[in-house]
Amino acid sequence: AQTVTQSQPEMSVQEAETVTLSCTYDTSESDYYLFWYKQPPSRQMILVIRQEAYKQQNATENRFSVNFQKAAKSFSLKISDSQLGDAAMYFCAYRSAWETSYDKVIFGPGTSLSVIP
Amino acid sequence: DGGITQSPKYLFRKEGQNVTLSCEQNLNHDAMYWYRQDPGQGLRLIYYSQIVNDFQKGDIAEGYSVSREKKESFPLTVTSAQKNPTAFYLCASSPGLQGRAGETQYFGPGTRLLVL
Repeated sequence: AQTVTQSQPEMSVQEAETVTLSCTYDTSESDYYLFWYKQPPSRQMILVIRQEAYKQQNATENRFSVNFQKAAKSFSLKISDSQLGDAAMYFCAYRSAWETSYDKVIFGPGTSLSVIP
Repeated sequence: DGGITQSPKYLFRKEGQNVTLSCEQNLNHDAMYWYRQDPGQGLRLIYYSQIVNDFQKGDIAEGYSVSREKKESFPLTVTSAQKNPTAFYLCASSPGLQGRAGETQYFGPGTRLLVL
């Protein structure tokens, strides 16, 4: 079974600085999707960024980028120019691309990010 | 605006009572999901549905029931058999089996359920 690990329960970053959140996963599959979701204090889950495993190029969305290392099964999120609004819980998630496992999204335990003014 | 709505935002349940959480989406998504989130923890899948009139149990289905009579609606009932229902409940949807873009899940704002 697939698992997703986030080894940093809490992190903090100074406003305007850069921070990297770690995520590792375990799978025997070759085709899958990886996601980072943000959950601010409102508790709404917001999609931050999405990566398709068959694409070697790292995904980017404005100040958010990932470092996808398929062989190492690592999927870290880099937040540049951190803003106060980035303070939230961040969840890494995995989803198989195989139709038989299509429905299952595996979430990591989350990393709580604080932004210091 | 397209999106997912959940109601109510807060819900109180008395002992032995069944309560129903609403989830509606106007994104024309085929698949819908219910997750439970306990304080300081990640999400656990309760039920999911890939198509109308069909749904499957997730990892923690005991004490919960769902229906999927319409594409846009996927209500969750927390029954009296669920002994520890206090949690935050999130509904999500995804396009479903509509090509590779179908795998991304989008979430509603959530419902907080408290037991009196």
